[in-house]
Amino acid sequence: KNQVEQSPQSLIILEGKNCTLQCNYTVSPFSNLRWYKQDTGRGPVSLTIMTFSENTKSNGRYTATLDADTKQSSLHITASQLSDSASYICVVRRDNAGNMLTFGGGTRLMVKP
Amino acid sequence: EPEVTQTPSHQVTQMGQEVILRCVPISNHLYFYWYRQILGQKVEFLVSFYNNEISEKSEIFDDQFSVERPDGSNFTLKIRSTKLEDSAMYFCASIYRGLSTDTQYFGPGTRLTVL
Repeated sequence: KNQVEQSPQSLIILEGKNCTLQCNYTVSPFSNLRWYKQDTGRGPVSLTIMTFSENTKSNGRYTATLDADTKQSSLHITASQLSDSASYICVVRRDNAGNMLTFGGGTRLMVKP
Repeated sequence: EPEVTQTPSHQVTQMGQEVILRCVPISNHLYFYWYRQILGQKVEFLVSFYNNEISEKSEIFDDQFSVERPDGSNFTLKIRSTKLEDSAMYFCASIYRGLSTDTQYFGPGTRLTVL
């Protein structure tokens, strides 16, 4: 079954600290993996998109990694800010599945001062 | 920066009533989507739309749902006879060309509450 699982479900960190969020997927055949940030009550906003051949991609303080062999990805947030408080969702696109995306349940991150 | 807009932001309706959720995708985008997110659960794909027809739909998208692009700008989701379990956030999204690495731009969502 094509699934995306994320851990932890929730995380609290202090402002300025780093954190890493995990994503495991069973979606096959794999096309690409995306990380989205979703503020409460808002639509998801794309952070990164990674294809099979990409191991690392950065977007400012966000760095995503992908291991297509083990079907794992991580999102590392550096020097967290209060505005980073949100849900971070791992999303996988299956190859030959049109543009249908499979969403993970998200990690709810809270950054405290 | 162009953005996807959705109206209304919150819709309350009685069970059995019809609702129409509206979306204005980014103007030069060609592919349009509806997703829903039940409170506390994952975002789920409902339907994709291209060239004035449905290109894909999920099991959730049954005969109670329909989509339409009535003019050059709006993209609507109609739920014919709402059920309590239709209560959710509904997100519209659009992409430009449909390439596998194209970014999907999501609207802010419509919160549908069915009483």
